[in-house]
Amino acid sequence: DAGVIQSPRHEVTEMGQEVTLRCKPISGHNSLFWYRQTMMRGLELLIYFNNNVPIDDSGMPEDRFSAKMPNASFSTLKIQPSEPRDSAVYFCASSLPGRMNTEAFFGQGTRLTVV
Amino acid sequence: AQTVTQSQPEMSVQEAETVTLSCTYDTSENNYYLFWYKQPPSRQMILVIRQEAYKQQNATENRFSVNFQKAAKSFSLKISDSQLGDTAMYFCAFMKHGSYQKVTFGTGTKLQVIP
Repeated sequence: DAGVIQSPRHEVTEMGQEVTLRCKPISGHNSLFWYRQTMMRGLELLIYFNNNVPIDDSGMPEDRFSAKMPNASFSTLKIQPSEPRDSAVYFCASSLPGRMNTEAFFGQGTRLTVV
Repeated sequence: AQTVTQSQPEMSVQEAETVTLSCTYDTSENNYYLFWYKQPPSRQMILVIRQEAYKQQNATENRFSVNFQKAAKSFSLKISDSQLGDTAMYFCAFMKHGSYQKVTFGTGTKLQVIP
């Protein structure tokens, strides 16, 4: 398996524009997580899905952020409109079903720069 | 809510020497998992080692071992025979036992292995 695949790896956009980050989890994994990493706040969990259903979105900072998981193999994180303070590395991670499968596998992240 | 604290923002160690990274956490849960993740300059988050809270024996993975002190809520990582490839950010993380695997990360320790 190729692992968790995120696209794009880098994104530079102007303030006010819409940004969509994409994630393909590992096949067979039923939990999917979106994290944001910044120097100031470290790794923050934004939202996570189980069986394509959002379980906890309390980490989503504002209504400008939204996430979807239309099927088991694809998820998006959208920011609209984007702001310079949204600049960060955004990680997607997935994990296997079952209580004993505790490891989260991470993608390589999308570095977002909003100018 | 759970919190994870890493009090050492940066550390350095000579190649082939041993280094210990500190982590403390706060939780009211009795069943949980603890992790150390490594993030090299490539940005990829890689699981280094995991510990189940109900196990008294400290986990080991080759040159990596932990000192898990449940009563003190302490979970340190020891790296023996440090190698240049160990240079990375190291994140301590906590996950409550249960069906949904929400992981809380510490702020990280930047480790530099010096030749």
